[in-house]
Amino acid sequence: QVQLQESGPGLVKPSQTLSVTCTVSGGSISSGNYHWTWIRQPAGKGLQWIGRIHSNGDTKYNPSLKSRVTISMDTSKNQFSLKLTSVIAADTAVYYCAREGSGSLFDPWGQGTLVTVSS
Amino acid sequence: QSALTQPASVSGSPGQSITLSCTGTSSDVGGYKYVSWYQQYPGKAPKLMIYDVSNRPSGVSNRFSGSKSGNTASLTISGLQADDEADYYCSSYTSSGTWVFGGGTKLTVL
Repeated sequence: QVQLQESGPGLVKPSQTLSVTCTVSGGSISSGNYHWTWIRQPAGKGLQWIGRIHSNGDTKYNPSLKSRVTISMDTSKNQFSLKLTSVIAADTAVYYCAREGSGSLFDPWGQGTLVTVSS
Repeated sequence: QSALTQPASVSGSPGQSITLSCTGTSSDVGGYKYVSWYQQYPGKAPKLMIYDVSNRPSGVSNRFSGSKSGNTASLTISGLQADDEADYYCSSYTSSGTWVFGGGTKLTVL
């Protein structure tokens, strides 16, 4: 079965770039009709969809973050990544990666990685 | 895009049935069959409970059911159990080709 695992820096300084990676096991990110997605959750708050990349490389981003977000994939490593530029304290959150299947399902999810923006 | 509207908290007694609501607009919930629900325990990743409004993934109890009327989707949990106590989030596809989540509902089992 497909499993996802996030990895990230833990701490990023304001105005710098946040980079997190999701490693996928049990299936190839370049095959199948799937989107590979990033979702975040600030402490004590709700979920926010950040964006996605299709197995063919097409991307779509949340309009509120679009100017700062890039999602890419490295098929040789079976990974996809999120870069968020010019971070501020409000970008502090648990960042989850998930697979978007046919229809409206996000499944499975990674366990999440906490990224704190602080000097 | 605005978050979908969910009640902040709902409570019920064991054995009872409760319904959680998720209200959007004709540009999201009302316009598509692509509504899903997620259960989240503290410190854990969300778990898919319902997709495409009313479909249940394998392994999810048939006590969980979903429906939609107009711009409001609903998740019903029957025979409430102590381990149903969690946060529940709805999600919908939007006319912009993006996804939007609700603010979440904290379910308390009394």
